[in-house]
Amino acid sequence: EAGVAQSPRYKIIEKRQSVAFWCNPISGHATLYWYQQILGQGPKLLIQFQNNGVVDDSQLPKDRFSAERLKGVDSTLKIQPAKLEDSAVYLCASGSSGRMTDTQYFGPGTRLTVL
Amino acid sequence: AQRVTQPEKLLSVFKGAPVELKCNYSYSGSPELFWYVQYSRQRLQLLLRHISRESIKGFTADLNKGETSFHLKKPFAQEEDSAMYYCALLGNYKLTFGKGTLLTVNP
Repeated sequence: EAGVAQSPRYKIIEKRQSVAFWCNPISGHATLYWYQQILGQGPKLLIQFQNNGVVDDSQLPKDRFSAERLKGVDSTLKIQPAKLEDSAVYLCASGSSGRMTDTQYFGPGTRLTVL
Repeated sequence: AQRVTQPEKLLSVFKGAPVELKCNYSYSGSPELFWYVQYSRQRLQLLLRHISRESIKGFTADLNKGETSFHLKKPFAQEEDSAMYYCALLGNYKLTFGKGTLLTVNP
């Protein structure tokens, strides 16, 4: 089966600009996660979707970050405006049924550099 | 709050030597623990989970609730085991990762 797809793979922007990332989960997977991985750290969960509803966004900086999952399939994560500390790899993952014990399948990530 | 600590950022061993990657956790409830691995130029992927009590690629990990540890072990390391390893804890419906340990297996 095809894996989780993400685009773009790399993005360089200046601070205060806006940026959007796209994720296409594995077909049929109900749950979708966005993680932020800062250099030298482990992934940190930003938001979790179950179908097209938000399950957990407690660690999403909502003043600048937003995410949506229209129709319960693809998802976009937006940052507006970006700050220097947003430089990180943004990982998307999906799971089949929504149970947190399900294996999470990760995409290749989008590496964001904010100058 | 839940926390995962991997005390070693880097671990280097020779091929055929035993390897142990340490993981300690802090969580008030009953945790579920995982090990994820990222090989060079590949995606992050699940290696094993404690509830399965299985050996994957020769790796095992035992949950020790008394010591709040979930160390990953392999008796004889192989060069292809070189990778970044992350310990993760599932608690409060959230997966929390440690900072990772970069394992290098030298020939």
